[in-house]
Amino acid sequence: AQSVTQLDSHVSVSEGTPVLLRCNYSSSYSPSLFWYVQHPNKGLQLLLKYTSAATLVKGINGFEAEFKKSETSFHLTKPSAHMSDAAEYFCVVSDPIAGKSTFGDGTTLTVKP
Amino acid sequence: EPEVTQTPSHQVTQMGQEVILRCVPISNHLYFYWYRQILGQKVEFLVSFYNNEISEKSEIFDDQFSVERPDGSNFTLKIRSTKLEDSAMYFCASRGPWGTDTQYFGPGTRLTVL
Repeated sequence: AQSVTQLDSHVSVSEGTPVLLRCNYSSSYSPSLFWYVQHPNKGLQLLLKYTSAATLVKGINGFEAEFKKSETSFHLTKPSAHMSDAAEYFCVVSDPIAGKSTFGDGTTLTVKP
Repeated sequence: EPEVTQTPSHQVTQMGQEVILRCVPISNHLYFYWYRQILGQKVEFLVSFYNNEISEKSEIFDDQFSVERPDGSNFTLKIRSTKLEDSAMYFCASRGPWGTDTQYFGPGTRLTVL
């Protein structure tokens, strides 16, 4: 069994300030973890993934995430927010055998000028 | 870069009608999935498909739903008799051979049931 909890439904930051989107997971397996971004009326774009290699994962558009097994967390960060980062972000855990993905509830990121 | 495609991008139908949503997965992928996202809610797993059969399905995937891979390229989701609550964005995804872990999602089909 697997589950994902995104700890914040909404995060609001000012442009140029850091972003932190929090995610905790539960998995019976050694998990594969992902962050996807969804802009309004758009599909799901893969930001980054963790698959048991380096615990600090770098993704696109300056995002990165750190896998912490002891805390069962996979928080997403970015040093400096840009207006174009405003979107919905989903943390996802994937079953490495069947590949079924379980999504978190999502976090809406708002970036203020 | 290869990508998953879905057609149509938007489908409007009357309640009780049958709809077929189409997906073309990435060509060498072996695992296929459908997910749905009701407006304002999270993405939910519907079904996974491998080796021409369903490998797992959720409780949402009742007898009104079916999936098929009619040829070597398409992967379809059929809803036999649509209900208002079937209105959602439907995402197709595909994954490579066993041992690969990344699912690649299509752009989605927005289904509106009137």
